[in-house]
Amino acid sequence: GQNIDQPTEMTATEGAIVQINCTYQTSGFNGLFWYQQHAGEAPTFLSYNVLDGLEEKGRFSSFLSRSKGYSYLLLKELQMKDSASYLCAVMDSNYQLIWGAGTKLIIKP
Amino acid sequence: GAVVSQHPSWVICKSGTSVKIECRSLDFQATTMFWYRQFPKQSLMLMATSNEGSKATYEQGVEKDKFLINHASLTLSTLTVTSAHPEDSSFYICSARTGTSDYEQYFGPGTRLTVT
Repeated sequence: GQNIDQPTEMTATEGAIVQINCTYQTSGFNGLFWYQQHAGEAPTFLSYNVLDGLEEKGRFSSFLSRSKGYSYLLLKELQMKDSASYLCAVMDSNYQLIWGAGTKLIIKP
Repeated sequence: GAVVSQHPSWVICKSGTSVKIECRSLDFQATTMFWYRQFPKQSLMLMATSNEGSKATYEQGVEKDKFLINHASLTLSTLTVTSAHPEDSSFYICSARTGTSDYEQYFGPGTRLTVT
């Protein structure tokens, strides 16, 4: 079966760095996505990785290792507004997104 | 660009009635639209995939006669929840994609449905 695993909840301090991991097992691979979702709102796109390596975009970076079925989202210089759920999703061979359950990130002052 | 709107943003209806939710791509043509449902503290659950001009493909466990999807144009898809029950209360989110070469899905803001 298809499976996406990520931690349920993480806590970090304002100004610090946090890494949210995601492991996956899917039928085919056409890229891995990270989305941010604030409570009561729809997800917003953060990043897309299809090749191995690190993609940096401002305070957010995303890493992919296809051989290990592993990705992480790195958030630097954390701000209170970064408190949200972070969803990992993999696009399978049918170009459908398989979603993880999301990681709730709590930022403390 | 790539804005998707949903209407209404929230709706309360009585058990047994039907509710229609609209999803529009405002500045692009969406060949494929997706409908998701999200219960509190859970991730997105794909309900169905619809391509313009053809019947929607429903995920296993989703009743196609209860959740009617119409993708009549390249900018509009509708989801109708028929004979709604309290257990249908959820956050319904649509997303749109321009084609298989465009990997990104653009999400609407979601519709909060409460069935009393």
